[in-house]
Amino acid sequence: DGGITQSPKYLFRKEGQNVTLSCEQNLNHDAMYWYRQDPGQGLRLIYYSQIVNDFQKGDIAEGYSVSREKKESFPLTVTSAQKNPTAFYLCASSMGLAESTDTQYFGPGTRLTVL
Amino acid sequence: AQSVTQPDIHITVSEGASLELRCNYSYGATPYLFWYVQSPGQGLQLLLKYFSGDTLVQGIKGFEAEFKRSQSSFNLRKPSVHWSDAAEYFCAARSMDSSYKLIFGSGTRLLVRP
Repeated sequence: DGGITQSPKYLFRKEGQNVTLSCEQNLNHDAMYWYRQDPGQGLRLIYYSQIVNDFQKGDIAEGYSVSREKKESFPLTVTSAQKNPTAFYLCASSMGLAESTDTQYFGPGTRLTVL
Repeated sequence: AQSVTQPDIHITVSEGASLELRCNYSYGATPYLFWYVQSPGQGLQLLLKYFSGDTLVQGIKGFEAEFKRSQSSFNLRKPSVHWSDAAEYFCAARSMDSSYKLIFGSGTRLLVRP
């Protein structure tokens, strides 16, 4: 069954802690993306990766870090430097730049709450 | 800079009535445009997409959208709404820079009256 999985579904973090959100895809997609969703603001890009071992900052990368060691995995770490991390985090993947009609598909999301 | 605007924050329609959700984009060239739907606490599901060609695009769940270059619009329509269509709807445009990111509107929440 192909798709994008994110874990955990809910995550609680204490102030000052780093947490890592998992994103895995078995669609053989080259590109992967992390978005943050806040109420009434749509989605904003945190980081993206168009190929293994390479990634780029998006519009709101401060306080976040990523890695792309495997094609199917793109974990996101929310560090203690992120001032307001409570949000819904969505991972997406797509075929990538080689596909002119590139379309992003989304995982089910992780809701992070800072206590 | 590219932007996507969804002017309606909430829309309420009766079950069986027709629906139109508005989306406007700002970009000189023809963008690649998408509509996604999100149920509470869930990820985004692709409804339909427009890249080129026929300006009337058919999607899943009986939805369609029409690209109108003269109005910079890509409105989503459905002739008869079902209670299960209640959700939040996002219009998005693909960025023309090297990121290929999606630029989202702020969403329209659809409520369906029985």
